[in-house]
Amino acid sequence: EIVMTQSPATLSVSPGERATLSCRASQGVRSNLAWYQQKPGQPPRLLIYGASTRATGIPARFSGSGSETEFTLTISSLQSEDFAVYYCQHYSIWPPGRAFGQGTRVEIK
Amino acid sequence: QVQLQESGPGLVKPSETLSVKCTVSGGSISSHYWSWIRQPPGKGLEWIGYIDYSGTTNYNPSLKSRVTMSIDTSKNQFSLKLSSVTAADTAVYYCARDHKEVLPLGVYYFYGMDVWGQGTTVTVSS
Repeated sequence: EIVMTQSPATLSVSPGERATLSCRASQGVRSNLAWYQQKPGQPPRLLIYGASTRATGIPARFSGSGSETEFTLTISSLQSEDFAVYYCQHYSIWPPGRAFGQGTRVEIK
Repeated sequence: QVQLQESGPGLVKPSETLSVKCTVSGGSISSHYWSWIRQPPGKGLEWIGYIDYSGTTNYNPSLKSRVTMSIDTSKNQFSLKLSSVTAADTAVYYCARDHKEVLPLGVYYFYGMDVWGQGTTVTVSS
């Protein structure tokens, strides 16, 4: 079973600054990784799939990188609406499965 | 525009079976995988499992012994049953479209969980 670990648990950032979030897989997952944003009282929203491809309608300030065990989500210039919790998720074809990381909360500094 | 809507009982007694349904509108259920995810109060997301149109399922190993998923393509609905519930199963239960495409040569490609329902809160309490 693949375990996803995110760091840090909480990231304090000022508006306009860059935020860098990390996600580590316990074993290689190729580029089978997605990132989601969740705001209070809302379902998660897909940001990135395939480790680096932005989902439909996602602003260019969101970018993903990495492969196998190390992944990064970068928000180039934080806007007020970006303060939220971010989750990474791996998806594997064989053996089939999915798993989420525990989340990183991005808060206003 | 595909939309998902969960429906559930709200309150379930300990040791009983939790049942939640997801209705898909604006598109066909006969493609993609359809996932269930839950989120206990104040905690993170936990993938429960998925089902496809043929009834093929895959469950989270930690919940596998208690989970049953089913699908009704005629009603564009899929369902989750979780047996022998305890207070630890109290959560918001989400359904989501687990977007997959079958490329040439039968290769699967995944586009993430791109459509989510609003979630339904299920509380386990006597």
